[in-house]
Amino acid sequence: GAGVSQSPRYKVAKRGQDVALRCDPISGHVSLFWYQQALGQGPEFLTYFQNEAQLDKSGLPSDRFFAERPEGSVSTLKIQRTQQEDSAVYLCASSIYQGARMNTEAFFGQGTRLTVV
Amino acid sequence: AQSVAQPEDQVNVAEGNPLTVKCTYSVSGNPYLFWYVQYPNRGLQFLLKYITGDNLVKGSYGFEAEFNKSQTSFHLKKPSALVSDSALYFCAVRKSNFGNEKLTFGTGTRLTIIP
Repeated sequence: GAGVSQSPRYKVAKRGQDVALRCDPISGHVSLFWYQQALGQGPEFLTYFQNEAQLDKSGLPSDRFFAERPEGSVSTLKIQRTQQEDSAVYLCASSIYQGARMNTEAFFGQGTRLTVV
Repeated sequence: AQSVAQPEDQVNVAEGNPLTVKCTYSVSGNPYLFWYVQYPNRGLQFLLKYITGDNLVKGSYGFEAEFNKSQTSFHLKKPSALVSDSALYFCAVRKSNFGNEKLTFGTGTRLTIIP
């Protein structure tokens, strides 16, 4: 597609419910990132994939958060037993991987706004 | 650890005047620096980046930024502001070495251009 696509755009979950957020990166982009943006804050890194390999998950806040990219394209961020503090906008980004020169910019989707009630 | 500081939460500029949005960073080694803009209910849009070479980089919509290694700064500038430039601006940094691809963002600066 023309850009990074995320779905759903909005999600309301009851506390304790599991949610799954989807990201379709730009076709051909090898690198994929998930960020969490709380209200009034900058995006915070969650996790990074290169193709299907999850190379960095240091930003995932707890073991309730899980991300996958099984075929190296579409990615899903899953949050189990949602809590109110999980309420945020979840941003997905993708970029072209240029070997050792990882200097290309990341392109962001519009995000999924998750509200836990 | 890497970090970004955007010291101004809000910047107001009259239309037609020059604008500056400040950013300082901290990272070990050489930095890769980025500016993104966010409009309401929209994702982040890439504006410009510094990787290497000229300290003054030019980007989209007439924006430019100057990399200053000694001051560890990467301020965003535009010679003449437009009302349509009103938005939330984020500075971001990452390490230049392989294996450290994650971006660290500042808290953002809300730019308001006054007609």
